[in-house]
Amino acid sequence: SQQGEEDPQALSIQEGENATMNCSYKTSINNLQWYRQNSGRGLVHLILIRSNEREKHSGRLRVTLDTSKKSSSLLITASRAADTASYFCATDSFQGAQKLVFGQGTRLTINP
Amino acid sequence: DAMVIQNPRYQVTQFGKPVTLSCSQTLNHNVMYWYQQKSSQAPKLLFHYYDKDFNNEADTPDNFQSRRPNTSFCFLDIRSPGLGDAAMYLCATSRRTSGNNEQFFGPGTRLTVL
Repeated sequence: SQQGEEDPQALSIQEGENATMNCSYKTSINNLQWYRQNSGRGLVHLILIRSNEREKHSGRLRVTLDTSKKSSSLLITASRAADTASYFCATDSFQGAQKLVFGQGTRLTINP
Repeated sequence: DAMVIQNPRYQVTQFGKPVTLSCSQTLNHNVMYWYQQKSSQAPKLLFHYYDKDFNNEADTPDNFQSRRPNTSFCFLDIRSPGLGDAAMYLCATSRRTSGNNEQFFGPGTRLTVL
């Protein structure tokens, strides 16, 4: 079953601007993760936020988690052309299964 | 560098002709996953191995099978590929720990069915 939904489905901004992507999910989670996928490639793990955390930073990335609203956001600051990719959120409702359920993704285009 | 390797990167097969995709890892992770990803869609989990234990997703067609002969290797067998099976197939690994199951992905195999 599809757990995460992301919006927007596509986002196009100018280099240097900030990009914000949102993810909503339906059930309780152990953690939520964000992945990046360049065209025709595998996914790369960006950041993990646990259910008891509200915000996390990694370089130009900032992730927030609101478990009461079952939502998360990924902010990329000072975007670069190399940030052009699809971004997926994935939820882990860890009950021994070690499975992630991915959202539909946001296609981000950074225009130089 | 430790990594997840998939071979081949591109595979062309004929309708109904069996095909095997390969995944290997040097991370010594005990969980390995196979995903199917169609254009502009989310990766869809087909099955995963936790050590030698095979876990099939309820909606994975019987046409898809998997083998994990050892920790390092995992194979995806498609017994009779149909046109609808054309997709990117992603292998991933993780180390089972409490609260952190980051997955490491291979580059994928793009399957074309003629």
